[in-house]
Amino acid sequence: KQEVTQIPAALSVPEGENLVLNCSFTDSAIYNLQWFRQDPGKGLTSLLLIQSSQREQTSGRLNASLDKSSGRSTLYIAASQPGDSATYLCAVISNSGYALNFGKGTSLLVTP
Amino acid sequence: GAGVSQTPSNKVTEKGKYVELRCDPISGHTALYWYRQSLGQGPEFLIYFQGTGAADDSGLPNDRFFAVRPEGSVSTLKIQRTERGDSAVYLCASSLQGNAETQYFGPGTRLLVL
Repeated sequence: KQEVTQIPAALSVPEGENLVLNCSFTDSAIYNLQWFRQDPGKGLTSLLLIQSSQREQTSGRLNASLDKSSGRSTLYIAASQPGDSATYLCAVISNSGYALNFGKGTSLLVTP
Repeated sequence: GAGVSQTPSNKVTEKGKYVELRCDPISGHTALYWYRQSLGQGPEFLIYFQGTGAADDSGLPNDRFFAVRPEGSVSTLKIQRTERGDSAVYLCASSLQGNAETQYFGPGTRLLVL
């Protein structure tokens, strides 16, 4: 069974810092990996999707990398802003199905 | 274009009651998914529809849970004889074809069973 782990569980940084969120998964047989953002009381917003054949994806200040063989992904946020405060969720679709397997998320607080 | 919508946004019910949760996917999306998110946890997969049929219902916790999508668009998640442990946020997502592409999520229905 695919297990997805996110570290750290919570993170607080001052505005302007660059930061890295970590995600690991136990079964390297995946279709893709997605990073989502979830604001309190809201649904999920897709940030980046990395196909299993890719090593990274970039969108604005966000960069996600994927090392499938080691079962790891990182989400890099450059020049963090208070508006980046949210919970960030990592999820994989395994080759066994269509379901997203989620980690528990990293709760990020960016202070002014 | 409208995103995924879910109604109601909040539902409070009593133990033992029946509830229905509705999901309206993005127009043209053939794939529809239901997930459940408990407090402090990531969402957990419940069921996946391709068109009108349930292609994968392996995540439904027991036979009190049932979902339909009769016309291949709107879906309804039905929970019979609700229990306090069913309290969670129920999230719906849709994608264009279901081929492991980006899933777009609705805002969720927050269910509280007293």
